[in-house]
Amino acid sequence: EAQVTQNPRYLITVTGKKLTVTCSQNMNHEYMSWYRQDPGLGLRQIYYSMNVEVTDKGDVPEGYKVSRKEKRNFPLILESPSPNQTSLYFCASSGTDSGNTIYFGEGSWLTVV
Amino acid sequence: KQEVTQIPAALSVPEGENLVLNCSFTDSAIYNLQWFRQDPGKGLTSLLLIQSSQREQTSGRLNASLDKSSGRSTLYIAASQPGDSATYLCAVRPTRTYKYIFGTGTRLKVLA
Repeated sequence: EAQVTQNPRYLITVTGKKLTVTCSQNMNHEYMSWYRQDPGLGLRQIYYSMNVEVTDKGDVPEGYKVSRKEKRNFPLILESPSPNQTSLYFCASSGTDSGNTIYFGEGSWLTVV
Repeated sequence: KQEVTQIPAALSVPEGENLVLNCSFTDSAIYNLQWFRQDPGKGLTSLLLIQSSQREQTSGRLNASLDKSSGRSTLYIAASQPGDSATYLCAVRPTRTYKYIFGTGTRLKVLA
């Protein structure tokens, strides 16, 4: 079954404590991306990756880091989380052709206090 | 800069009605447009993808159309059911990018 798996699904953390949200896909997709979803603002892209060791900033990259050491994994790193990073985060993957559907993970609810 | 707008933000209809959801975008240079469904607290599920060379796609009771020249797409849902209640989002992928730009969605409630 085609899947994008994110962990953790729910997390409450404190300001400044580094955390990593993992993302893994089993479809051998080249493209992976992270989004955050906030009320009234919709989905905004944080970072994306076209393949191993190839990453680029999306629209709201400040405060986040990513890495793509393996094709299936694309972790999102918050080095020093702040309350304005409280959000619902989604990982997504797809092939790179124009006919490829995007697959999304179930989401990770992150609260920074 | 590409912007995607969905109007209305929320919609309530009685069961059985046919309905149309709207999506507009400001730049016609796109690779594709996708419609998604999102249930509360859940991820997004792709419903239909229309490539830039296509005019419409159909899946079951859903039909999506694309008019690039006017910057519009519509999602038509036939014979709506309470199980169709969800938020519907559209997203475009501009040409020469690997970004996807999302609208803020239409929250649909189908009343039994």
